[in-house]
Amino acid sequence: ETGVTQTPRHLVMGMTNKKSLKCEQHLGHNAMYWYKQSAKKPLELMFVYNFKEQTENNSVPSRFSPECPNSSHLFLHLHTLQPEDSALYLCASSQDTGQGYSNQPQHFGDGTRLSIL
Amino acid sequence: GESVGLHLPTLSVQEGDNSIINCAYSNSASDYFIWYKQESGKGPQFIIDIRSNMDKRQGQRVTVLLNKTVKHLSLQIAATQPGDSAVYFCAESYTGGFKTIFGAGTRLFVKA
Repeated sequence: ETGVTQTPRHLVMGMTNKKSLKCEQHLGHNAMYWYKQSAKKPLELMFVYNFKEQTENNSVPSRFSPECPNSSHLFLHLHTLQPEDSALYLCASSQDTGQGYSNQPQHFGDGTRLSIL
Repeated sequence: GESVGLHLPTLSVQEGDNSIINCAYSNSASDYFIWYKQESGKGPQFIIDIRSNMDKRQGQRVTVLLNKTVKHLSLQIAATQPGDSAVYFCAESYTGGFKTIFGAGTRLFVKA
C-alpha cells in the first residue's frame, strides 16, 4: 500500500469516448502529479498541482484535462484520444516543504493502463 | 541540457551477488537525487535518496553514492535477491525547482 490509489487500473476506450482517471492520496501531501509512462522511455511529466493550483502543464495536448478539487484528489479527463496515447498513466504526490516540492520523494500509485482502440 | 541517463539498459546478476546500477546526470544545479524501483504491474517505489551535501548514504541492503565532480550516481544492492528483480530509475531535481527529471531505467534480472 503506497498511500496513493488510482482507479481504474485498466481502461480500454475508443478514440471518441470520454473517460476520467482518478487519483486519491492518503499521505497528507499538498503536491500531486500526473505522469505518462511509455515503453522504454523516461517518465513524462504532464501536470503538477500544488495546494490545488496548477503549477506545471508540460505542453500536454488539450485532449487531456486535469482537475484537482482538493489536495487529496486528482482527476485526468480524457477526450478524443489518439492511439499514441496508449500508455501507463501514473499519479504521484509529495510534500511541499516551503522550498519547492521537487526536493522531496514522490509517492506513486500503481497507475492506470490505458489502451486506445 | 537537463538529462538523466543510465549506462546500461539491463543488468543480470547471480542471486547473492552485489548489484551496481549507474546513472549520469547533466544539470550541475541538481542537489537532490532519488532512486526508485518499479516492479511489473506496479508504480515506482521510493528506495533511497541523497542530497548534494553528502557523498554516500546507506539504507537496508542499499547504498547510494554521489560523485558531483563527474555528475555520477550509483545504487548498490548488497546480496541481491530474486525480489530485487525490477526496473530501477534514478531521478534528479533541485531545491526551489518544480520538476523532477527521471532516467529511462535499468532492468535488473536476478538469476537463482
